Amino acid sequence: AQSVTQLGSHVSVSEGALVLLRCNYSSSVPPYLFWYVQYPNQGLQLLLKYTSAATLVKGINGFEAEFKKSETSFHLTKPSAHMSDAAEYFCAVSLGGGADGLTFGKGTHLIIQP
Amino acid sequence: GAVVSQHPSWVICKSGTSVKIECRSLDFQATTMFWYRQFPKQSLMLMATSNEGSKATYEQGVEKDKFLINHASLTLSTLTVTSAHPEDSSFYICSALTGTTHTDTQYFGPGTRLTVL
Repeated sequence: AQSVTQLGSHVSVSEGALVLLRCNYSSSVPPYLFWYVQYPNQGLQLLLKYTSAATLVKGINGFEAEFKKSETSFHLTKPSAHMSDAAEYFCAVSLGGGADGLTFGKGTHLIIQP
Repeated sequence: GAVVSQHPSWVICKSGTSVKIECRSLDFQATTMFWYRQFPKQSLMLMATSNEGSKATYEQGVEKDKFLINHASLTLSTLTVTSAHPEDSSFYICSALTGTTHTDTQYFGPGTRLTVL
């Protein structure tokens, strides 16, 4: 079985500051890891995906995440926050590359302060 | 591309009635679709996997007789909540799968808010 823990239900940063959203996973086999973003009244949109090809994964909108096996972490970062980044962010894990159902964390609400 | 729609976006019904929610992949074919449920301030929980032309696979603890899933075509899966009760009130989200193995990507619909009175 696998699980995901997202530290911090709410994260607030100033516009232009570094964004860091934390995700730790638990998996009995090498996992596939995902970050999704959900804007109000919209469906989840894939930001990036880790498939074991490279530990540093670059995604859309300037986001990236680094897979650290020793820390069982997959934290999401962005060097400079923009007002449009305000949204709900979900970390998820899969054992089947995304072809099976995803196990999600509880989500982190990112607030951008002007 | 890769757009998934859900209908309706919200529905209110009386206790004891049945409600059908549709999930459509608009510009691609999806042999596999997933249904998730999200409670307020909680994560999405996988309910079932829907495969075109075959019976759905339900997660442990999900009542298959209450949550009927039909995946009759490569672009449509439906979730019917039968004899709905207030505890079934929730946000239901579907996703459609495209790609193969390492390129598999789930595209999510916008969700359906169900309120049972």
